[in-house]
Parts: sequence; C-alpha cells; structure tokens
Amino acid sequence: QITLKESGPTLVKPTQTLTLTCTFSGFSLSASGVGVGWIRQPPGKALEWLALIYWNDDKRYRPSLKSRLTITKDTSKKQVVLKMTNMDPVDTATYYCAHRPFPHGNYVDCFDYWGQGALVTVSS
Amino acid sequence: DIQMTQSPSSLSASVGDRVTITCRASQSISRYLNWYQQKPGKAPKLLIYAASSLQSGVPSRFSGSGSGTDFTLTISSLQPEDSATYYCQQSYTTLYTFGPGTKLEIK
Repeated sequence: QITLKESGPTLVKPTQTLTLTCTFSGFSLSASGVGVGWIRQPPGKALEWLALIYWNDDKRYRPSLKSRLTITKDTSKKQVVLKMTNMDPVDTATYYCAHRPFPHGNYVDCFDYWGQGALVTVSS
Repeated sequence: DIQMTQSPSSLSASVGDRVTITCRASQSISRYLNWYQQKPGKAPKLLIYAASSLQSGVPSRFSGSGSGTDFTLTISSLQPEDSATYYCQQSYTTLYTFGPGTKLEIK
C-alpha cells in the first residue's frame, strides 16, 4: 500500500525559504522509472505542477519557478524534500507530493497516489 | 508550454445522466492525458491515465477517449458521489500542465 505525507511549516514569512518534506511508504524511490512530484493548489484555484525527482536522481522543475526550487531525495529515509526560496503571499497554497509510477505501458506518465496535502500560508 | 483548456467550467446534472467533460491541448500530446477527480478538502484522485485506461478501483462508469489535442471524460450514469471538480493533465512533456478544472454538481 503506497502512502505519502507532506510535512512542514503552516506559516512562513515573505522572503523566507519554505522546506517541505514528503515521507512515503509502500514503494522504493530506487526502483527504475519511479518518481515523486510536487504539485500545489492555491485556495480555490487549479493544480500547478512544481517539480519531479526520478529514481536515478534526474530532476525536473517548472521553468517559471526553477530558480527558486530545489528537490532532493533520501532513498534510505524514504523522503523527498522540496525547498522554495523567497516566498511570497502568492505562494500561499496547499502543497501535495505524489507518486509517479513506473511507466508500465505506452503513454503512461501520471500521479497515481497523492499525499493529503499541506496548507502553507505566506504572510508577515 | 502546452496549455490545457476544459469545457464546461461547471455543470449541473441529475443522477443517472450521462455527463461529458472536454479537455483540449494547445498542441498534440498523443495520448499522454490523465484525468483526476478532486473533492473539497481532499487530494486529487487519478481516474484515467493514457487517455483511456481506467485506474484500478475506479468505477467503470468513468471512461476516457481522445488523442492528439481533443479528449473527453465521460460518466455514463452519474451518481451522487461524483460531485467533484475534474482536472485533465498532460504528461507529453515533463512540464506537466493541468487544465483549469470542471466543477460538477448534482441537481
């Protein structure tokens, strides 16, 4: 059974750095093809993909936020960490981490298990 | 960036109705299209991947079709628990993008 859970501060001040941890179970991030992504959702708005780290430590970032984002993994601890610098009130959102499965067929690339989400508010 | 649009943005339908939601990509994405269901205060749930493959455990009343730029999500017989917002997502490029969502309400 795959589970993921986000943890981190609920409130950060503008200009601070946000550090979120995704702790997962039920899969290995060293298994070929597997990844963990971060997606956020401002209140009342749509989903926005932020970053993805693959089993081989390859990383992808949303281009518009690339300079502010860092994603890392600790395979032994079963954790993925997302850092976002220079936080702004517009970054207020629920942040989700999600499992990207091995692409077991043609055209397969999705997020099949999600954490419950962590609401982060940016305010002074 | 590949832009995703959805129509309608919201709809209201009755239990038992057949409901169709459309998603369009700004360029061809082959069949790299996923559908998610999100209920208030909950994380998104994967319904359909690769345009038409039903995720394990998802009721068979949900189906997906399309390729290239135009895709549809169909609910064959609407149930009360289907009240939610539905999002499409392209995975043709690793700059994954989601559609703006379609809010489905039950009359």
